[in-house]
Amino acid sequence: DIQMTQSPSFLSASVGDRVTINCKASQNINKYLNWYQQKLGEAPKRLIYNTNNLQTGIPSRFSGSGSGTDYTLTISSLQPEDFATYFCLQHNSLNTFGAGTKLELK
Amino acid sequence: EVQLQESGPGLVKPSQSLSLTCSVTGYSITSNYWGWIRKFPGNKMEWMGYISYSGSTSYNPSLKSRISITRDTSKNQFFLQLNSVTTEDTATYYCARWGYGSYRGDYWGQGVMVTVSS
Repeated sequence: DIQMTQSPSFLSASVGDRVTINCKASQNINKYLNWYQQKLGEAPKRLIYNTNNLQTGIPSRFSGSGSGTDYTLTISSLQPEDFATYFCLQHNSLNTFGAGTKLELK
Repeated sequence: EVQLQESGPGLVKPSQSLSLTCSVTGYSITSNYWGWIRKFPGNKMEWMGYISYSGSTSYNPSLKSRISITRDTSKNQFFLQLNSVTTEDTATYYCARWGYGSYRGDYWGQGVMVTVSS
């Protein structure tokens, strides 16, 4: 099974900050990596699919990059509505998730 | 727009079966793939399996002996059955569109919390 190591687990930041969240796979996942945002009690919302494709309707301050085993979600300028939990999903082989990053207001 | 909604009992006794329904609107389940995912207390997530547009299924090997995913195309619903549950099956259960490529996990339901307890 492919293991996904997501970091950091918690992130404190301010409105306007640039933040990055990382997912590292235990083997090459060929860019089959999605990023999600989830708020309490809501459905997960897909932000990015296949590493760097922005989901329709998602603001351009969200971007994704990476290859091989290492992938990054970047939020270029945090907005108040971005404080939430973020997680990654690899779907190259079966499907496994990162453990999540809780983004909190500093 | 594609919308999914999970429903089912919030409490199941150990050794019994957990049964959930996912109702889909805005898209036919005879197209694409449809999956179940769960999130445990502590936030670890696990893909459980999917059912395809043709009714074929694929399951997480860790669950293969206990899980069944079926569907009712006339109601545009698909179902999860998990047998012989234990307290370790306590989780929030989500259904999602689980196609390949750009369709993988693009739409999710908001989840239903299921507690396994006597």
